[in-house]
Amino acid sequence: GAGVSQSPRYKVAKRGQDVALRCDPISGHVSLFWYQQALGQGPEFLTYFQNEAQLDKSGLPSDRFFAERPEGSVSTLKIQRTQQEDSAVYLCASSSNRGMNTEAFFGQGTRLTVV
Amino acid sequence: AQSVTQLDSHVSVSEGTPVLLRCNYSSSYSPSLFWYVQHPNKGLQLLLKYTSAATLVKGINGFEAEFKKSETSFHLTKPSAHMSDAAEYFCVVSPQGADGLTFGKGTHLIIQP
Repeated sequence: GAGVSQSPRYKVAKRGQDVALRCDPISGHVSLFWYQQALGQGPEFLTYFQNEAQLDKSGLPSDRFFAERPEGSVSTLKIQRTQQEDSAVYLCASSSNRGMNTEAFFGQGTRLTVV
Repeated sequence: AQSVTQLDSHVSVSEGTPVLLRCNYSSSYSPSLFWYVQHPNKGLQLLLKYTSAATLVKGINGFEAEFKKSETSFHLTKPSAHMSDAAEYFCVVSPQGADGLTFGKGTHLIIQP
C-alpha cells in the first residue's frame, strides 16, 4: 500500500523484556516521527528523523528508548527492559519535508502491552 | 511554549444536527493549527489545517474550522453530523522551532441515531 505501515500491530511483552517496533514510511518521505499515545490521551512526540539523521530525540522518556533509521527509510523504535508504564500505542508518521505546514501521514500504530 | 486545549472530552449530538468541537491555543507566534481524526483501529487522518492564508478553513467530509486570533480559538464545526463522524478528534499545533506536533487530549464525538 501507499501509506505508513507499522508492525507488529499488537505486542505483549513481559516486564523486563526488550521490544522492537518497525515503521515503513511512505516511499520518498524524508521526515519520520515517532509518537507515544497513552490510553485516553493525545499522542506525544518522541523523536524525529530527517533521512537517516536523528535531529530531535527530546521526547524520549528514558535512555531505555532508542530509535534508528540507518538507511533513511525504515525506522525501528527499540525499548529495553520494558516497564508497565511503557504500555501505550506507538505511532509512526512521515512527511515529505520538514516544514511546519507539511502534512504528516500516520500509521495505524503498534499497541504495546507490558505485563 | 505553544499548546492547545480541547475544552470537551466528550461531545454527543444527534445525527443530522450541527457539530461543534472546541479548541483554544496558546502561542506567542502565528501558529500552524490542525485538526486530526482518529477512527478506531485506523491511523490519524488530517481533517484540515490553518497556515495563515485564510481564517476559515475547509476540510474533508464537510468539516471546517475558523481561526479567531482575538479569542485564541480554532473550533471545528460541521453543519450536519453523520453516523460515520463518530471518532476521536484532536486539535494540534505545530510549535515554531520544534520538530513534532503537539496534540490536545482529544474530544470523543458520539453520534446518536
